[in-house]
Amino acid sequence: QKEVEQDPGPLSVPEGAIVSLNCTYSNSAFQYFMWYRQYSRKGPELLMYTYSSGNKEDGRFTAQVDKSSKYISLFIRDSQPSDSATYLCAMNYFGNEKLTFGTGTRLTIIP
Amino acid sequence: DGGITQSPKYLFRKEGQNVTLSCEQNLNHDAMYWYRQDPGQGLRLIYYSQIVNDFQKGDIAEGYSVSREKKESFPLTVTSAQKNPTAFYLCASSIAGGLSGELFFGEGSRLTVL
Repeated sequence: QKEVEQDPGPLSVPEGAIVSLNCTYSNSAFQYFMWYRQYSRKGPELLMYTYSSGNKEDGRFTAQVDKSSKYISLFIRDSQPSDSATYLCAMNYFGNEKLTFGTGTRLTIIP
Repeated sequence: DGGITQSPKYLFRKEGQNVTLSCEQNLNHDAMYWYRQDPGQGLRLIYYSQIVNDFQKGDIAEGYSVSREKKESFPLTVTSAQKNPTAFYLCASSIAGGLSGELFFGEGSRLTVL
């Protein structure tokens, strides 16, 4: 079993819809949770960063962490065609030098 | 502008040839990383380096080699011993080890073995 599981998709939704992207993990030591966005043929860029359980909002994006269920989510409101990309979750814990990534979910927003 | 520069962007090589991918950063970051990305497998860590003249193997180091002679540079050599080298290679850096979680990535190098 992988430490981090992420549905690879692809996921297609109409413009303006709310998108929900999710990851589950097995290592209870994880305490830092990230979402990266990767456009086609580009490197990933950090989108959201959260520590421990709870919600964090940044514009149309909300990151949610539920440590009791070992489950993290990224919500995109009012989705735009420019949100079409692959979204990778990543996580880490104190003292560890390496991030653990999910496989990524490929998202397409249909105009 | 600060950032990470990878070159070449596209590279073709014949089987049995070694190839070196360049990665340069001007962010003054201590840590640098090489990842490999294959469809459906996410990012897999090849090598990483926390300081100059020191580096550690990641999860899939076999068939690869690196050096870290300068803080700014972390080249990756894909050797002929790598059984399946065709992939998208990503270099990244961070201020310090993965604790902060913020990796800055280059635009990648796509290697195709013919």
